[in-house]
Amino acid sequence: QKEVEQDPGPLSVPEGAIVSLNCTYSNSAFQYFMWYRQYSRKGPELLMYTYSSGNKEDGRFTAQVDKSSKYISLFIRDSQPSDSATYLCAMRMTTDSWGKLQFGAGTQVVVTP
Amino acid sequence: GAVVSQHPSWVICKSGTSVKIECRSLDFQATTMFWYRQFPKQSLMLMATSNEGSKATYEQGVEKDKFLINHASLTLSTLTVTSAHPEDSSFYICSARDRGLGGEQYFGPGTRLTVT
Repeated sequence: QKEVEQDPGPLSVPEGAIVSLNCTYSNSAFQYFMWYRQYSRKGPELLMYTYSSGNKEDGRFTAQVDKSSKYISLFIRDSQPSDSATYLCAMRMTTDSWGKLQFGAGTQVVVTP
Repeated sequence: GAVVSQHPSWVICKSGTSVKIECRSLDFQATTMFWYRQFPKQSLMLMATSNEGSKATYEQGVEKDKFLINHASLTLSTLTVTSAHPEDSSFYICSARDRGLGGEQYFGPGTRLTVT
């Protein structure tokens, strides 16, 4: 079993809809949680960075962490065709001094006009 | 802020030759940099972790003599693929961890290596 599970999709939504993405994990030592967006043939771009449980909002993006359920989510409001990309969740442990990340498989999102 | 560059963005080399890829953090200091490899439609695979001034730590299954990593300064790390073979063709991405509080990790744009 992988430490971080993420549905690879593809997830297709119409423009303007809410995109809902999630990851589950098995290691309770993860404390830092991230979401990255990756366009084809580009490097990942950091979207959201959260510590421990709770919600964080940045523009159209909302990240949620539920450590009791080992479940994290990313919501994208008012989705646009430019949001079409692969979204990767990532997490790391406080005890890892180098900050190595564990990634999910990535979810491909397609926003149709 | 938080920009990481990679050079070159695309390189084609002949089998048996070596190629060097540079990774630079442009506006922050990075004590730690990471090198990843990514195959089409797959997630990132960590190859090695490099810390400034010390030897890189390689993940299991990654040949350290084939993938030479040098982290010469707080803003520069290089990956050299030695004696490249067609199976080394891939997308190589570096990331740099911000030395400051929080330690977010930022990625470069990637380098596409094709070995003929």
